[in-house]
Amino acid sequence: AQSVTQLGSHVSVSEGALVLLRCNYSSSVPPYLFWYVQYPNQGLQLLLKYTSAATLVKGINGFEAEFKKSETSFHLTKPSAHMSDAAEYFCAVSFGGGFKTIFGAGTRLFVKA
Amino acid sequence: EAGVAQSPRYKIIEKRQSVAFWCNPISGHATLYWYQQILGQGPKLLIQFQNNGVVDDSQLPKDRFSAERLKGVDSTLKIQPAKLEDSAVYLCASSSEADLLTDEAEAFFGQGTRLTVV
Repeated sequence: AQSVTQLGSHVSVSEGALVLLRCNYSSSVPPYLFWYVQYPNQGLQLLLKYTSAATLVKGINGFEAEFKKSETSFHLTKPSAHMSDAAEYFCAVSFGGGFKTIFGAGTRLFVKA
Repeated sequence: EAGVAQSPRYKIIEKRQSVAFWCNPISGHATLYWYQQILGQGPKLLIQFQNNGVVDDSQLPKDRFSAERLKGVDSTLKIQPAKLEDSAVYLCASSSEADLLTDEAEAFFGQGTRLTVV
């Protein structure tokens, strides 16, 4: 069965520090993986997605994620946090055709000045 | 380009009442999704439409939830009767590609309707 686990419901970093949000997945078929960001009272916005091309995926706002099959991970990183990065981040896994996507529970990122 | 429009933004109802949510997708988007996002959880797909046909409604509680997209454009999601556990944000999304696993495809989300059942 497909599932996704986000490690840490809350992550706090200082402005300018590295952002690392962890995501591990379980899938019996080759997965497709996504990271979304949700700002307060907003819908979800796609940050980046892995669809079996390059394992290092670059997204918007300076974020990137690396697909590691051996570790079943798809961690999201950003070299230098900005105050505007404070939001909730969702990792998601999809399989098959269409959009049968399973979302993780989310990680709320706090950025301290 | 206008985004996905949803209304109302907030709704408070008593249990056993009925409620309806409306979604207008981005113009030209053939695929429309309804998600339920319970506080502290990730979104869960309720139903997916391709034009006016249902692609996937396997997680829709059909005894109380219904959705339609009669003309293949806007859509309504209805709950009747509502239960306390239906309190959540209901998100609508749309995309121009049925298969979001292509490099170009992306789903665009509305701001959601926050439902509180008391």
